[in-house]
Amino acid sequence: QVQLQESGPGLVNPSGTLSLACAVSGGSISSGSWWSWVRQPPGKGLEWIGQTYYDGYAHYNPSLKSRVTISVDKSMSQVSLRLSSVTAADTAVYYCARHSGYCFGIWGQGALVTVSS
Amino acid sequence: ESVLTQSPGTLSLSPGERATLSCRASQSVSSNYLAWYQQKPGQAPRLLIYGASSRATGIPDRFSGSGSGTDFTLTISRLEPEDFAVYYCQQYDDSPPGYTFGQGTKLEIK
Repeated sequence: QVQLQESGPGLVNPSGTLSLACAVSGGSISSGSWWSWVRQPPGKGLEWIGQTYYDGYAHYNPSLKSRVTISVDKSMSQVSLRLSSVTAADTAVYYCARHSGYCFGIWGQGALVTVSS
Repeated sequence: ESVLTQSPGTLSLSPGERATLSCRASQSVSSNYLAWYQQKPGQAPRLLIYGASSRATGIPDRFSGSGSGTDFTLTISRLEPEDFAVYYCQQYDDSPPGYTFGQGTKLEIK
């Protein structure tokens, strides 16, 4: 069974860059699946950030596109997220997820990132 | 961009009762592209229904999804104590490719 585990700094300075990694275990990152990042501000709903295929082809939420990069490191079996120029509005739990068709079948446990000085 | 609106915002019911949750899209959605999730406090969302009406692996048959076009429904036939949670619908748009979620319905114990 595929498992996902997010990791990265829990605190980021305003105007800095948020960087998270999602470790994929129990299966191949090159299995033909898409991989996404989804975030959830405290007490609020879910927002899709973007997705990548194992070959690096990616799509992003238009509202975040200018600040987001999602990439795959096949050697480390890892999907990464970088979000630049962060503000307090980017404070959220960040989830990585593996697609199942046109939805998200497997989720990581999430990583809380707070933007504050 | 199609927007998903869920109703009601909060639903108060008792165990054993039937729950009906609504998800309305601002533009027609292919049934293949509509999913439902359950989220409990401190946990990641869990996929319940995909393709509008297909149960994900391990999901009890008291959960069912229906609908087409712009109106979709998640029904829980007889509520169990563990079903009280927040439920989200989600759609896929293919032009440009992307995903959006409804704002959620909180199902609480009455």
